Amino acid sequence: DIQMTQSPSSLSASVGDRVTITCRASQNIDTYLSWFQQKPGNAPKNLIYIASSLQRGVPSRFSGSGSGTDFTLTISSLHPEDFATYYCQQSYSTPLTFGGGTKVEIK
Amino acid sequence: QVQLQESGPGLVKPSETLSLTCAVSGDSLISYYWTWIRQPPGKGLEWIGNIYYSGSPNYNPSLKSRVTISVDTSKNQFSLRLNSVTAADTAIYYCARSLDERATIGGFDYWGQGTLVTVSS
Repeated sequence: DIQMTQSPSSLSASVGDRVTITCRASQNIDTYLSWFQQKPGNAPKNLIYIASSLQRGVPSRFSGSGSGTDFTLTISSLHPEDFATYYCQQSYSTPLTFGGGTKVEIK
Repeated sequence: QVQLQESGPGLVKPSETLSLTCAVSGDSLISYYWTWIRQPPGKGLEWIGNIYYSGSPNYNPSLKSRVTISVDTSKNQFSLRLNSVTAADTAIYYCARSLDERATIGGFDYWGQGTLVTVSS
């Protein structure tokens, strides 16, 4: 199985901050990477697929980059509704696997 | 508007079978892949497996010996069965949709709200 490692596991930030979350795959996954946002009590919401393609309806302050083994999710200016847990997920091969999550908390 | 809704018992006894159904409304099952994902309370996400409306299911090897995913196009729903459950199977179970087998194009675009299944005697 492909292991996905996210860092940091949590971070504190303020509204308006630029936030970057990283995800590393245990092997080359090309650009087969998605990012999800999950708020307490809710299902995950797909933000980005194929590393950098924004899911429809997702604000443009979210962006993704990377290829191979190293990827980043960037929130250009944190909004109050962005405080949540973020997960990466590889879609290079089955079993599909997820990172451990990054919790973005209010500073 | 596409909607997915999981249903099934919220409590299952150890060694018994967990059975869940995901009802799809607002679109047909045809031309999509249908997936089950679970999340133990307070923990991360685990892909259980998926199925195409007419194809063979694809399972996570870690669960393959115990899991069955099936589809019923006449009822526009798909199902999950997990045998011989233990406390480690306690989780929120989600169903989700994707355009392709590995959810590469468009990712998992629609999800159910999730249903908590507790394994306990």
